[in-house]
Amino acid sequence: RKEVEQDPGPFNVPEGATVAFNCTYSNSASQSFFWYRQDCRKEPKLLMSVYSSGNEDGRFTAQLNRASQYISLLIRDSKLSDSATYLCVVNTNQAGTALIFGKGTTLSVSS
Amino acid sequence: NAGVTQTPKFQVLKTGQSMTLQCAQDMNHNSMYWYRQDPGMGLRLIYYSASEGTTDKGEVPNGYNVSRLNKREFSLRLESAAPSQTSVYFCASSEFGLAGGRETQYFGPGTRLLVL
Repeated sequence: RKEVEQDPGPFNVPEGATVAFNCTYSNSASQSFFWYRQDCRKEPKLLMSVYSSGNEDGRFTAQLNRASQYISLLIRDSKLSDSATYLCVVNTNQAGTALIFGKGTTLSVSS
Repeated sequence: NAGVTQTPKFQVLKTGQSMTLQCAQDMNHNSMYWYRQDPGMGLRLIYYSASEGTTDKGEVPNGYNVSRLNKREFSLRLESAAPSQTSVYFCASSEFGLAGGRETQYFGPGTRLLVL
């Protein structure tokens, strides 16, 4: 089952770099989209929701392309503290269904 | 607020032993979930409880049972542990549930289980 696919990486970038992660989903009925962040050996935490018009939160920008069933996350001016695994998450918003998690993309930012 | 708490943090079991993983949330959330996370597999839903008194199977329910003890607590039981159940188990909660659109799920710190 590959309902949500992500490039696993790892992405190794220097501090200050801009990096982009991509995610595709297979269920065209999906309604809600999120990026979660998971630090090593920690629980996932919501980074940001993804809206149809695109949205920005500081150095982070999320984009959604419903026609291509594609979600992206752009991180500008990378910090050492951005090193983590980024999970693409999709919700079909149908009762009885779950959040579908991608396997995650690992980012390592070095000085 | 402690958020979502889980016990134990670590556990080693022998094949065939049973155990219960405990989860509690203090955010007055209606919905609670149990996930497992395995290398290369991502998070997969085991069971969820949309509200107090209800439970439903997720993607990988075989070998597990759950109890929604009250609004705060949702436990996961392994009746006869198998090596395939070696994993990291996360409990999560949300205010309204999976049909609630954009609401956030809050995760506990996880339980690392090794079945020998």
